[in-house]
Amino acid sequence: EAQVTQNPRYLITVTGKKLTVTCSQNMNHEYMSWYRQDPGLGLRQIYYSMNVEVTDKGDVPEGYKVSRKEKRNFPLILESPSPNQTSLYFCASSLTGGTANEKLFFGSGTQLSVL
Amino acid sequence: QQQVKQSPQSLIVQKGGISIINCAYENTAFDYFPWYQQFPGKGPALLIAIRPDVSEKKEGRFTISFNKSAKQFSLHIMDSQPGDSATYFCAATINQAGTALIFGKGTTLSVSS
Repeated sequence: EAQVTQNPRYLITVTGKKLTVTCSQNMNHEYMSWYRQDPGLGLRQIYYSMNVEVTDKGDVPEGYKVSRKEKRNFPLILESPSPNQTSLYFCASSLTGGTANEKLFFGSGTQLSVL
Repeated sequence: QQQVKQSPQSLIVQKGGISIINCAYENTAFDYFPWYQQFPGKGPALLIAIRPDVSEKKEGRFTISFNKSAKQFSLHIMDSQPGDSATYFCAATINQAGTALIFGKGTTLSVSS
């Protein structure tokens, strides 16, 4: 089954403790992206990657890192999480990132709470 | 200028009624306008999309109406069903590789039976 898999589904951590949210897709997509979803703010892009070793900042990249060493994986790293990073995070992928007529596939989300 | 403004924030519709969600944009370079549907506990999923060369696109009970001169587009859900209860996001982007989708803030639709 074609899918984007994120782990963990839920995560509670404390301020400053480094964490990684994993994302993997099995559709051989070139484009992958991370979004955060906050009440009243919708979906905002954090980082995206057009292909292996190619990453770029989205609208809200502060406090986050990403890497794209393999085509299928795109982990999101919070090196020193803060409470304002408490949010629902989504990983997404698409074939080429060309957007027009191209479906963006989302994972099921990671609910992160930073205490 | 990169914003997409979506309204209403929430919507309650009776079963069988018409649900209408509106979006407006400023950037005239936007040329692709998708709608995503999100059920609780799930990620958003593409529902329907339109390019600005047409004024309307229909897929089943879902229709996008597009008004290029007003820089507005809307989603109409005909014969709304309880199973349509979800959060709906409009989005806009420029048809160019790597350009991010700009999402509206979402509309939570509840269809009462």
